[in-house]
Amino acid sequence: AQTVTQSQPEMSVQEAETVTLSCTYDTSENNYYLFWYKQPPSRQMILVIRQEAYKQQNATENRFSVNFQKAAKSFSLKISDSQLGDTAMYFCACSGAGSYQLTFGKGTKLSVIP
Amino acid sequence: NAGVTQTPKFRILKIGQSMTLQCTQDMNHNYMYWYRQDPGMGLKLIYYSVGAGITDKGEVPNGYNVSRSTTEDFPLRLELAAPSQTSVYFCASSGQGAQNEQFFGPGTRLTVL
Repeated sequence: AQTVTQSQPEMSVQEAETVTLSCTYDTSENNYYLFWYKQPPSRQMILVIRQEAYKQQNATENRFSVNFQKAAKSFSLKISDSQLGDTAMYFCACSGAGSYQLTFGKGTKLSVIP
Repeated sequence: NAGVTQTPKFRILKIGQSMTLQCTQDMNHNYMYWYRQDPGMGLKLIYYSVGAGITDKGEVPNGYNVSRSTTEDFPLRLELAAPSQTSVYFCASSGQGAQNEQFFGPGTRLTVL
């Protein structure tokens, strides 16, 4: 079983600036996967980035990168050069390697200000 | 590819009514899922399926039923709707393995009055 905690209900950032969204998790699994999903006002859930727990190297996808601290069970998302289209709810999620279940945090509402 | 499609987009039900939320995917994924999203909360898993004829309960299955007769379709049945089932429902699909991205449908907003 997993639990995922996002402690920042809302955040804002100026366009072109950098913002970091926090996520902590707990799991009894030895191997697991971590994800960040984006939900814009259209409601469509979109994968932003994923991290495999057994890989020490932090995942990056263009302007999005993670800071994965396995011992601290922390998985933060950094968005560089923020754009207006980044305005959305961001959900952190965790899945055990042998599980079919994604456990989601409550989300962080990010607003990018022009 | 249309991806994951859901119908209807919106629905209002009266207490005690029943309905089926439809979900279809055209990516030939074996794994399919139903989630609900309540205001201010993340998604919670209702049911999932790892292939045609195989379904299992998730975190919040009470009040719902599913079936999986084909790879493409995974309908969710609400029996005797209750106000507590007011939520946004998402269907998703993925390839085999927890590392795979789940592809989500656009959601169905259901209100039970």
